[in-house]
Amino acid sequence: QQQVKQSPQSLIVQKGGISIINCAYENTAFDYFPWYQQFPGKGPALLIAIRPDVSEKKEGRFTISFNKSAKQFSLHIMDSQPGDSATYFCAASRDDAGNNRKLIWGLGTSLAVNP
Amino acid sequence: KAGVTQTPRYLIKTRGQQVTLSCSPISGHRSVSWYQQTPGQGLQFLFEYFSETQRNKGNFPGRFSGRQFSNSRSEMNVSTLELGDSALYLCASSLGTDNEQFFGPGTRLTVL
Repeated sequence: QQQVKQSPQSLIVQKGGISIINCAYENTAFDYFPWYQQFPGKGPALLIAIRPDVSEKKEGRFTISFNKSAKQFSLHIMDSQPGDSATYFCAASRDDAGNNRKLIWGLGTSLAVNP
Repeated sequence: KAGVTQTPRYLIKTRGQQVTLSCSPISGHRSVSWYQQTPGQGLQFLFEYFSETQRNKGNFPGRFSGRQFSNSRSEMNVSTLELGDSALYLCASSLGTDNEQFFGPGTRLTVL
């Protein structure tokens, strides 16, 4: 059972366009929602993260939109560039007793930005 | 500051063998987590160690085990390898369990 569902599985965007990746979760106890970017041959790297007390967070060309009532969050990449071509993962976690956290991951979206 | 390092980067084993993977966290980081990454299942959490103690464990069989040393370096061991164990094994370190995780490049394990 996938606790965090990510879509689409793959995405092709033209340079300068907007890339949108969506994630949905079931567990309302989740309180931390990061997005990771992974290039071939590398481990994932944190791109941007949001907590449910805000509906949007922007860092440069990357924006997370968060809809608590719908239990959905999305990553928007504005002015997409070929260098953004990578696999993107959404994740979610909650704080168990004793400050233990375990990230639950989406299956990833392979983004290709055509020049 | 050096990043997370994992050794070896590539490994080829045969069914039934065992393997040990190593992870050196970022200096000062005390939490080390291990993940298995496969195309069909994404990143699956294996376990997390903090100050030499296993604090979290995923849903993997007992063939998968790990440990952490006093210098925070960690190893994971897989015994009696199966074809399905072929994957990229990622290690991530953080200051504590509630902090951003920094990933290493992974060890690509192929089981023949």
